[in-house]
Amino acid sequence: DAKTTQPTSMDCAEGRAANLPCNHSTISGNEYVYWYRQIHSQGPQYIIHGLKNNETNEMASLIITEDRKSSTLILPHATLRDTAVYYCIVTPSNTGKLIFGQGTTLQVKP
Amino acid sequence: SAVISQKPSRDICQRGTSLTIQCQVDSQVTMMFWYRQQPGQSLTLIATANQGSEATYESGFVIDKFPISRPNLTFSTLTVSNMSPEDSSIYLCSGGREGSEQYFGPGTRLTVT
Repeated sequence: DAKTTQPTSMDCAEGRAANLPCNHSTISGNEYVYWYRQIHSQGPQYIIHGLKNNETNEMASLIITEDRKSSTLILPHATLRDTAVYYCIVTPSNTGKLIFGQGTTLQVKP
Repeated sequence: SAVISQKPSRDICQRGTSLTIQCQVDSQVTMMFWYRQQPGQSLTLIATANQGSEATYESGFVIDKFPISRPNLTFSTLTVSNMSPEDSSIYLCSGGREGSEQYFGPGTRLTVT
C-alpha cells in the first residue's frame, strides 16, 4: 500500500503558484520523498526528491516539514502544460522501487 | 538522465496468445522495473528486473504469467502470457541508478480481444 495521502484533485490558475500537499506520517528515517508527474498518455516524469532539507530545481521546489511527516511540492508559475497527475512517493533511495498511490490531478486553468 | 524506449508502442492481441515487450535504456542503469497501469488507474509495480538472474516479483504477480529477462544492464523484456481481456493495460518500464531517480519509458498500450 502507498504510504502517502494526497488530495484527489486541485485547480490552479495559470501563472500562479501551485502548492500540492502530501502527508507521509509513517515515513522512516531512511526514506526519501519523491515527486513524479504523469501527463496524459505519457510515462511518469521525475520532478524532485528530498530527505529532510528543502530542495529546489528548475522544475519545482520541495518543502519538507521538520518532523518529515508532510511535504509540499511547489510549481512556482504553473502553465497549462503542468496539467497532470502528481504522485508523492516515499521510498528508501537504495531500492529504486516506486509504490504509486492515486496521486493528485492538477488542473491548470487559463 | 536516461532515455528509455519501448517496443511495441501498442498492440492488439487475441486472448490466449503472448506478447513480449522490449525496453531499452540509452545508458547503463543499475535498476530496471516493470509496471502496469490499468485503465483509469495508477501504476502498479510488477517486478524488479535483475541482470542475469530471475526477476523479483511483487505480490500478485507470478513468473509464469509475466516472465521477465534482463540479459544486460540496458535491456529487458516483459512477456504477458496467455492473455485475457483483463490484461488490457499500459505496461511501462523504468530504469535508474541506485540512490537516484527512475526514468520511465513511454509505455506499451496493450488491448486483448
